[in-house]
Amino acid sequence: AQSVSQHNHHVILSEAASLELGCNYSYGGTVNLFWYVQYPGQHLQLLLKYFSGDPLVKGIKGFEAEFIKSKFSFNLRKPSVQWSDTAEYFCAVNYGGATNKLIFGTGTLLAVQP
Amino acid sequence: GAVVSQHPSWVICKSGTSVKIECRSLDFQATTMFWYRQFPKQSLMLMATSNEGSKATYEQGVEKDKFLINHASLTLSTLTVTSAHPEDSSFYICSATWAGTQYFGPGTRLLVL
Repeated sequence: AQSVSQHNHHVILSEAASLELGCNYSYGGTVNLFWYVQYPGQHLQLLLKYFSGDPLVKGIKGFEAEFIKSKFSFNLRKPSVQWSDTAEYFCAVNYGGATNKLIFGTGTLLAVQP
Repeated sequence: GAVVSQHPSWVICKSGTSVKIECRSLDFQATTMFWYRQFPKQSLMLMATSNEGSKATYEQGVEKDKFLINHASLTLSTLTVTSAHPEDSSFYICSATWAGTQYFGPGTRLLVL
């Protein structure tokens, strides 16, 4: 079955620390990959996406993610987090087809301490 | 660009009544919209795919007669929770697709008393 797993349910970091959130998906051929962020009290916003091309994708607010096909992974990174990055982060995968349906990971709650 | 709105942002209703939630793509047209439920501290659960001009496609376990979806135009999809019960209380989120990417609305919090 198609599935997406995020290994860390909660992450607590101090400001300026580096961040890496894991995301793995089950095999399914060609995939489109997404990271969304949900700030407290706000709606889901797109951070970045990968469809094809350079596997290192840069998104908004200094985030980037690397698609490693052999590992079925799409980990999210940021070299130096800020207090304002406190939010919940969701990895999502589209396994193709005409509907653009997304399978979401369970989310990782990031808390950045000032 | 790619802004999606939902109305209402929250609603409280009595058990047995029906509630309609609207999802609009404000600056683009979307042939496909999606409806999700999000439970506290959990991820999004896809309920159904809303297709403009045709019937919605429901995920396994979602009652199509309880959660009526209508996608009458390229910018509007509605979700009606019929005969709502307390267990239907949840956060309902819609998304609309543009250029292969889903853009999400702010969600509607439903509380059924």
